[in-house]
Amino acid sequence: DAGVTQSPTHLIKTRGQQVTLRCSPKSGHDTVSWYQQALGQGPQFIFQYYEEEERQRGNFPDRFSGHQFPNYSSELNVNALLLGDSALYLCASSSGLAGVKNIQYFGAGTRLSVL
Amino acid sequence: AQTVTQSQPEMSVQEAETVTLSCTYDTSESDYYLFWYKQPPSRQMILVIRQEAYKQQNATENRFSVNFQKAAKSFSLKISDSQLGDAAMYFCAYTLSPGTYKYIFGTGTRLKVLA
Repeated sequence: DAGVTQSPTHLIKTRGQQVTLRCSPKSGHDTVSWYQQALGQGPQFIFQYYEEEERQRGNFPDRFSGHQFPNYSSELNVNALLLGDSALYLCASSSGLAGVKNIQYFGAGTRLSVL
Repeated sequence: AQTVTQSQPEMSVQEAETVTLSCTYDTSESDYYLFWYKQPPSRQMILVIRQEAYKQQNATENRFSVNFQKAAKSFSLKISDSQLGDAAMYFCAYTLSPGTYKYIFGTGTRLKVLA
């Protein structure tokens, strides 16, 4: 049973560019959440997708957008990259909005470096 | 706003000994979940243990147990018989119950296990 998979594992971009990160949820899961983890910090919630709609959003600007596909996979897009966007981006999946005991399963993340 | 605080940036423990990691949180809600996640160098967050706020009994998972003090808003993790494989970053996390996966994480505690 494949867990949460993310691609790519590492990405280098320059300021002003746009980036797309991808996530495939754990088998049987239909809800995907994205987190940003800056170096030395805990993850911060970006947004959550369920039934192809953004259901909750954290305190992130509109430069951060997402999408969920019918097969439940998801993309995180960041436009007009800033140096401060350099971080590990984690995807987490779960089952349903209410979830099973509110447990999320995390992928290994995409390390984004903005130069 | 809910916050999670981990006041110990780094802890060390001898192999086979016991260590306790601290976590405090702030919320005005009465029903919520608390988690401890482990993040090894592979970057993937792994669930260690979970506590439902309405349960008085402290959660236990093999060598891992928590001391949940709801009135004090404290949620510490005790690791018994520490093993080299326990070395990792440990994050305390909070989420409202039910129906949301918006986790709020602390800044983490790096645990070193000495042979």
